[in-house]
Amino acid sequence: GENVEQHPSTLSVQEGDSAVIKCTYSDSASNYFPWYKQELGKRPQLIIDIRSNVGEKKDQRIAVTLNKTAKHFSLHITETQPEDSAVYFCAASLGGSNYKLTFGKGTLLTVNP
Amino acid sequence: DAGVIQSPRHEVTEMGQEVTLRCKPISGHDYLFWYRQTMMRGLELLIYFNNNVPIDDSGMPEDRFSAKMPNASFSTLKIQPSEPRDSAVYFCASSRPGQGFQPQHFGDGTRLSIL
Repeated sequence: GENVEQHPSTLSVQEGDSAVIKCTYSDSASNYFPWYKQELGKRPQLIIDIRSNVGEKKDQRIAVTLNKTAKHFSLHITETQPEDSAVYFCAASLGGSNYKLTFGKGTLLTVNP
Repeated sequence: DAGVIQSPRHEVTEMGQEVTLRCKPISGHDYLFWYRQTMMRGLELLIYFNNNVPIDDSGMPEDRFSAKMPNASFSTLKIQPSEPRDSAVYFCASSRPGQGFQPQHFGDGTRLSIL
């Protein structure tokens, strides 16, 4: 079945450094790729998303890149801050159904002050 | 603007009991999703509705699980009878109509513990 692989599962960086999280997907018909941030005990919150007709999208310190040929997409966080510490999930829409998402297993990001 | 509202926030009950989780989507959103989150399996889609109609329930684990959406502002997920392996955080999410995929907005979740 369709799946999304996410790496790494944990990531520890120093405050001010950059963090990169990578995801690969199997369904070539996927066309929507959101990223969610989930703090401990809280709900997943959408932080950025990208559609298949775009290769890169940026929002302040956060950017996402998409390579449709290779079927992978990445989240880049620059100038990390302690409040960026959380679990980050990538997801991909399933082909043939615009409203189903498959989520990666998540990356626990720790930003050390 | 109120977000997705779920109740209860926490539920602890004994094995074999019926459990009902509730969700109110964001006003104007016509897609509603039920997810389950566990450490082992991550975030899984159980079922989703469009305009109150169930579209895909292929993620519902077994017949003990059922979901309804009697109107545009209310949905329930029921487990009967409950088992310890149903313990998880259950999230409801909603998205608005539009061309192409629209972002899903999550509620605060219900943390369910079955003893």
